[in-house]
Amino acid sequence: RKEVEQDPGPFNVPEGATVAFNCTYSNSASQSFFWYRQDCRKEPKLLMSVYSSGNEDGRFTAQLNRASQYISLLIRDSKLSDSATYLCVVKGFQKLVFGTGTRLLVSP
Amino acid sequence: DADVTQTPRNRITKTGKRIMLECSQTKGHDRMYWYRQDPGLGLRLIYYSFDVKDINKGEISDGYSVSRQAQAKFSLSLESAIPNQTALYFCATSDLRYSGQGSTGELFFGEGSRLTVL
Repeated sequence: RKEVEQDPGPFNVPEGATVAFNCTYSNSASQSFFWYRQDCRKEPKLLMSVYSSGNEDGRFTAQLNRASQYISLLIRDSKLSDSATYLCVVKGFQKLVFGTGTRLLVSP
Repeated sequence: DADVTQTPRNRITKTGKRIMLECSQTKGHDRMYWYRQDPGLGLRLIYYSFDVKDINKGEISDGYSVSRQAQAKFSLSLESAIPNQTALYFCATSDLRYSGQGSTGELFFGEGSRLTVL
């Protein structure tokens, strides 16, 4: 079983839609959680950290469920510019483990 | 100018050749990393270095070596390239602290080096 698993997608949504991605992780001792965004043929960039109580950053909401060992990312009012691959990242002991990513395509 | 610079950005080589990918950073971070990215496999850690005198193997270090020439420079070498080392390679830096608590977890990536081994 992979340490971090994501649905590869693609998720095809129209502009203005709400879309959610989940990510599961296998190591219950994982300490920190993050979402990164990667545009096609570009480097990954941090989108947001995921806190235990859940957190929002504009149209983006991240949630953590330690009991079920998953994290989620909700995007409201999708924009064309949100089209990208979203990487779930889990931090264990001094190591970051990346998921393979979920691809989002937002269409006009 | 990019804070994390990788050279070359693209390279095509033949099996058996020695290849070096270079990375330099202006962020002043102590920690540097080399990852490779393959379709369906995500980013996998090859080597990492927490300071100039510290080198650690990642999950897929076989066939690779690294050199931390200075705080700002971290190079990756393929002594004898093989086709399954064809991939997109990323260098990254961070200032993660050992405690992990409250860290941003942010890695700053270079723009990538696309390597093709024929």
